[in-house]
Amino acid sequence: GENVEQHPSTLSVQEGDSAVIKCTYSDSASNYFPWYKQELGKRPQLIIDIRSNVGEKKDQRIAVTLNKTAKHFSLHITETQPEDSAVYFCAASPPNTGGFKTIFGAGTRLFVKA
Amino acid sequence: EAQVTQNPRYLITVTGKKLTVTCSQNMNHEYMSWYRQDPGLGLRQIYYSMNVEVTDKGDVPEGYKVSRKEKRNFPLILESPSPNQTSLYFCASSGQAGRSPLHFGNGTRLTVT
Repeated sequence: GENVEQHPSTLSVQEGDSAVIKCTYSDSASNYFPWYKQELGKRPQLIIDIRSNVGEKKDQRIAVTLNKTAKHFSLHITETQPEDSAVYFCAASPPNTGGFKTIFGAGTRLFVKA
Repeated sequence: EAQVTQNPRYLITVTGKKLTVTCSQNMNHEYMSWYRQDPGLGLRQIYYSMNVEVTDKGDVPEGYKVSRKEKRNFPLILESPSPNQTSLYFCASSGQAGRSPLHFGNGTRLTVT
């Protein structure tokens, strides 16, 4: 079955620096790759997503890149701010018999130091 | 307001006492799913539903049941809870399974003693 690996598990950066989180997946049939941000005590919320027909997508300070051949995708946050501190999850949705599972990475805890 | 509503937010129970966590969405989404979140393990899928009366197992279905009798509701049932089911549970829905983002409820923190 699908497996999603996420690295690093913890990331600490100085305010203003960039942060990069990487994920790899195993099922080449996966076509949709979202990233969720979860602040302390809150629910996960989508911050950006990418579909397999594009290699890169950007939304202000956040970008995602996808390499389907290598089966990995990455989240890039530039000019980090303290409010970016949170846990970030990547996910993949491989087709299953009659449906779609959603498999999450184990998460990356990002600390942005002011 | 478009939302996924879970109840209760907090629940403490004893081993073996049946419980139900409710989930309702008002976005007319076909896809609904349950996850449990444990430290260091991320979000693991318990069950999902592609549509009314269509449900399937996720990666950790043991000890759980679900039903999807109506499009908006997707309750999670623990027939005989055990301490290893102590966790934070999230319900989520999506307009297009595998192609659009999940909208999560606020979570239910369950403690089984």
